[in-house]
Amino acid sequence: AQTVTQSQPEMSVQEAETVTLSCTYDTSESDYYLFWYKQPPSRQMILVIRQEAYKQQNATENRFSVNFQKAAKSFSLKISDSQLGDAAMYFCAYRSAWEDGQNFVFGPGTRLSVLP
Amino acid sequence: NAGVTQTPKFQVLKTGQSMTLQCAQDMNHNSMYWYRQDPGMGLRLIYYSASEGTTDKGEVPNGYNVSRLNKREFSLRLESAAPSQTSVYFCASSEEWGRGSPLHFGNGTRLTVT
Repeated sequence: AQTVTQSQPEMSVQEAETVTLSCTYDTSESDYYLFWYKQPPSRQMILVIRQEAYKQQNATENRFSVNFQKAAKSFSLKISDSQLGDAAMYFCAYRSAWEDGQNFVFGPGTRLSVLP
Repeated sequence: NAGVTQTPKFQVLKTGQSMTLQCAQDMNHNSMYWYRQDPGMGLRLIYYSASEGTTDKGEVPNGYNVSRLNKREFSLRLESAAPSQTSVYFCASSEEWGRGSPLHFGNGTRLTVT
């Protein structure tokens, strides 16, 4: 079974600075998808970014980008020019391309604080 | 566009009481899911429905039942609530099975069992 690890339970960043959140995963599959979700205090789960494992190019969405290292099974999220609204829990998630059933696996989350 | 709608937003139950969490999506998605979120544990899958007419157990199904009423609706029932079921519950849906479609979440239900 796949597992997702986020080794940083909490992180903080100064407003306008850059922060990187770590995520590693364990899988024997070669085809899969990776996601970062943001959960602000409102509790809503918001998709931040999506990466396809067969694509070499790292995904970007405005101030959010990933560093996808397939061989190392690492999928870190970089937030540039951090804003107060970025304060939230961030979850890394793995989705199998083929496995039936329980094919989304979430990490335990990283709580990000943004300091003014 | 409402997306995924969950009701209620909050609920307090006494041990042994029953309740049903309702979920509906208007995105014509095939797959629907129920997760629970507990501190430090991320989201854990309770049950899922890959398509209308099918349901399967996830990682933590004990104490729960589900019904895929139609393509839009997927309900979660607690027959006899226990304090261990105190959690935040999320319903989610996704478009396609096995094509990397992201999950779209409802706003969650905070359930407290006393």
